[in-house]
Amino acid sequence: KAGVTQTPRYLIKTRGQQVTLSCSPISGHRSVSWYQQTPGQGLQFLFEYFSETQRNKGNFPGRFSGRQFSNSRSEMNVSTLELGDSALYLCASSCCGVNRQGKVHEQYFGPGTRLTVT
Amino acid sequence: QQPVQSPQAVILREGEDAVINCSSSKALYSVHWYRQKHGEAPIFLMILLKGGEQKGHDKISASFNEKKQQSSLYLTASQLSYSGTYFCGTESGTSYDKVIFGPGTSLSVIP
Repeated sequence: KAGVTQTPRYLIKTRGQQVTLSCSPISGHRSVSWYQQTPGQGLQFLFEYFSETQRNKGNFPGRFSGRQFSNSRSEMNVSTLELGDSALYLCASSCCGVNRQGKVHEQYFGPGTRLTVT
Repeated sequence: QQPVQSPQAVILREGEDAVINCSSSKALYSVHWYRQKHGEAPIFLMILLKGGEQKGHDKISASFNEKKQQSSLYLTASQLSYSGTYFCGTESGTSYDKVIFGPGTSLSVIP
C-alpha cells in the first residue's frame, strides 16, 4: 500500500496570507490527524477527522481549520499567517480511529509540509 | 496535558542499553511510542494498553505502569539505527481518543 502523502512538501508564505495543506491517507484509513511540529514544542495535536467529522481539536486558535472529504483525504487551512506558524505540519492516518474501548490505533505519518512564514 | 519525558537527550555507544521514561499526571488509557529520524516522519513502534502486557519487538520493549501513569521504553544492545528522537504519546481520560505527545527524547548511538 502507498503511504501517507502530503502536498506541498515545502511552502513559503508571507504574514497575513492564508495557506491550505493537503493530506492523502493510506487507502482504507478513515481517520486523519494533524500535528504541528516545532523544535521547542515537539508534536502538538491540531485536530482529528473521522468519516468527514471533526472529532477532536487541540488548543490552537480558530485560524487553524480543517476538513475531510468523502474519500478520506483531508485539508488543513491556516488563515492570517503569523511568524510563529512556521513549522513542520504532519498528518497521520489511522485505520479505525477509535475502537470500542476508546483507544487510538497506531498512526502512520506522512512526510510533512514545511511551512515558512516570512 | 503533555506527558513528561526523561531524559531529554542521551548518547550511547553501540551495544549499550537505554531507558526512556514517559509520565503523565492523568490516568492513562494507553501509551504510544514513536521514533523519528532527522528529516523523516515519525514511525510507530508500539502501543501499550491499560490492562495489557509489556510489549516489544526485536530489542526494543516497553512497560506501562497504570498506577503510576508511567511508561518506559527499553532499548537493549543499541544499534546505530536506533538513533533518533523518541516520542511517547498518551491517551488519557481528559484527552479521550486522541494522542498527546511528549516533547521527545533525543537518542544518539555512536560507534
